[in-house]
Amino acid sequence: QSVLTQPPSVSAAPGQMVTISCSGSSSNIGNNYVSWYQQLPGTAPKLLIYENKKRPSGIPDRFSGSKSGTSATLGITGLQTGDEADYYCGTWDSSLSAGVFGGGTKLTVL
Amino acid sequence: QVQLQQWGAGLLKPSETLSLTCAVYGGSSSGYYWSWIRQPPGKGLEWLGEMNHRGNTNYNPSLKSRVTISVDTSKTQFSLKLNSVTAADTAVYYCARGPPYCVGDVCSFWYFDLWGRGTLVTVSS
Repeated sequence: QSVLTQPPSVSAAPGQMVTISCSGSSSNIGNNYVSWYQQLPGTAPKLLIYENKKRPSGIPDRFSGSKSGTSATLGITGLQTGDEADYYCGTWDSSLSAGVFGGGTKLTVL
Repeated sequence: QVQLQQWGAGLLKPSETLSLTCAVYGGSSSGYYWSWIRQPPGKGLEWLGEMNHRGNTNYNPSLKSRVTISVDTSKTQFSLKLNSVTAADTAVYYCARGPPYCVGDVCSFWYFDLWGRGTLVTVSS
């Protein structure tokens, strides 16, 4: 059971928008920054969003992040078949003194 | 362009020690924390621990008694040792750069911007 809760799967059609939620508590998301990762099949995770909403160089603005209270959201617009992947949120948990990831969400682009 | 290249034994017997090394090419190992993260087959990511060039470390409490991370700044390498492995330790192990810094044992800015390709470690008798 992960400290951060993500939906196991989401799906949407090409060109549409999808959001992936990440729910935590005051000891993690509520008081620390959230990051998001994309993991394509058979590859290492790739940083998509850091510090809640910042995008690393090279990440298109179709990907966005937000945080409110103890929850964070990853948004993806203009869905492409190449976006099919597993997506993970992560943050620091001050009570555990440890980094924690969500269980991951599998995105299917129908 | 900074890259991470990792290597180590891929097949272990129960009770043996897992040992992996990650080299930083094209950059320095100072100025960041360096982490190890694993992913059991078909499952999610699990953070194992992190260390910076000053020797400051944070470990996952669930594995703390078995994990050791070290950094060799002269070689721009960092390593992972996990002792007394069992089948439950079978996973792909990733090295990663990050977080950028921590204040004491709190790493509010916790993210990984560079990853190794991963090493599958299988524990089987």
